[in-house]
Amino acid sequence: DIVMTQSPDSLAVSLGERATLSCKSSQSVFYSSTNKNSLAWFQQKPGQAPRLLIYWASTRESGVPDRFSGRGSGTDFTLTISSLQAEDVAVYYCQQYYTSPYTFGQGTKVEIK
Amino acid sequence: QVQLRESGPGLVKPSQTLSLTCTVSGGSMSTGGYYWSWIRQRPGKGLEWIGYIHYSGSADYNQSLKSRVSMSVDTSKNQFSLQVNSLTAADTGIYYCAGARTFVTVAPIRKHGWFGPWGQGALVTVSS
Repeated sequence: DIVMTQSPDSLAVSLGERATLSCKSSQSVFYSSTNKNSLAWFQQKPGQAPRLLIYWASTRESGVPDRFSGRGSGTDFTLTISSLQAEDVAVYYCQQYYTSPYTFGQGTKVEIK
Repeated sequence: QVQLRESGPGLVKPSQTLSLTCTVSGGSMSTGGYYWSWIRQRPGKGLEWIGYIHYSGSADYNQSLKSRVSMSVDTSKNQFSLQVNSLTAADTGIYYCAGARTFVTVAPIRKHGWFGPWGQGALVTVSS
């Protein structure tokens, strides 16, 4: 199974400041036939289901604010929130869809400093 | 847009079988654009993919649960279902249904993509 490891486990950032979250996969999730990385990011607020933010490592889902951006390739990925808003307090998960079983990271909790 | 909603019992006894149903609205399950999936979130364990079923009936399950899991689809009702047998307290958690987008690499093979949309989740407690 591909192991997804996120860091840090939690992150406190001031309002308006940048938050950078890391995700590493135990093997490459680069899909050569599409020339894309099979990596998604989700946001989960308390009591809610996860919400898709990013797929193909950097493609923003429709309706997601442009302060959220993803980048990376192979085994190393980042999610950046360029200017943290109060409504961004949540747990963020990365997930690979390169191969079954489709695995998630353990999550990074983002809080306001 | 496509929306999903889980239904089923919130409390199940140990050793019994959990049955959950996911109702899809806003579109037909039979368009082929999704693999209809189940994911669970157990306390302290994070998100775990259980498996998916395609409207054609083909399925793939996580090996960690494969011996206890089965899925089915009823396209006439636009529903798909999950059964997990031999339950223990370790199966307690929130069970989500989700649509995994598919994409084509070499036609006509469809590959499993990212999860979206999701249902709101069904809390399942295994206790006597």
